Amino acid sequence: GENVEQHPSTLSVQEGDSAVIKCTYSDSASNYFPWYKQELGKRPQLIIDIRSNVGEKKDQRIAVTLNKTAKHFSLHITETQPEDSAVYFCAVANDYKLSFGAGTTVTVRA
Amino acid sequence: GAGVSQSPSNKVTEKGKDVELRCDPISGHTALYWYRQRLGQGLEFLIYFQGNSAPDKSGLPSDRFSAERTGESVSTLTIQRTQQEDSAVYLCASSSARGGGGKTQYFGPGTRLLVL
Repeated sequence: GENVEQHPSTLSVQEGDSAVIKCTYSDSASNYFPWYKQELGKRPQLIIDIRSNVGEKKDQRIAVTLNKTAKHFSLHITETQPEDSAVYFCAVANDYKLSFGAGTTVTVRA
Repeated sequence: GAGVSQSPSNKVTEKGKDVELRCDPISGHTALYWYRQRLGQGLEFLIYFQGNSAPDKSGLPSDRFSAERTGESVSTLTIQRTQQEDSAVYLCASSSARGGGGKTQYFGPGTRLLVL
């Protein structure tokens, strides 16, 4: 099955700085790469996704980059704010099944 | 519109008892998924429904776990003879069509199960 590794497991940043989370995957047939944000006690919510025919996608302060050759993709959050504090999960799919990374706990220090 | 809903939101049970967890997907979503999330961990795939059939049950941890879906709508996840290691949050998600290839999965709030 798909193996998704996510780094770092925890990330502490100063408010206003950038945060970067990286995921690697094993199945070269994977073609869909979403990122979910999960606040404490809440459901995971999709924040951005990218498909295999696109190398980069941006939505306001959030961007995702994909390198299919190297089989890795990254989440970039710029100008971090306290409300960005949460657990972020990457996921990978080539059909119906999403395989998730273990998550990154992001803490934004005021 | 209404999102994915799950009930109960919390469930405390005694070891050995059976529990039923319910998921109401977004109306019209044909694909439905169950995941398990242990404390501080990622999401573990359990089962996938397309319509009322389950072409992939590969994530169910043991034969104590089963799930069904009726009317291409509500799904129930049943855990028989619960064990303490079953304690986790059980999340349901749905998507608009056969999943994969970019079909976004929308999650419910989860059921927190605690087995004493």
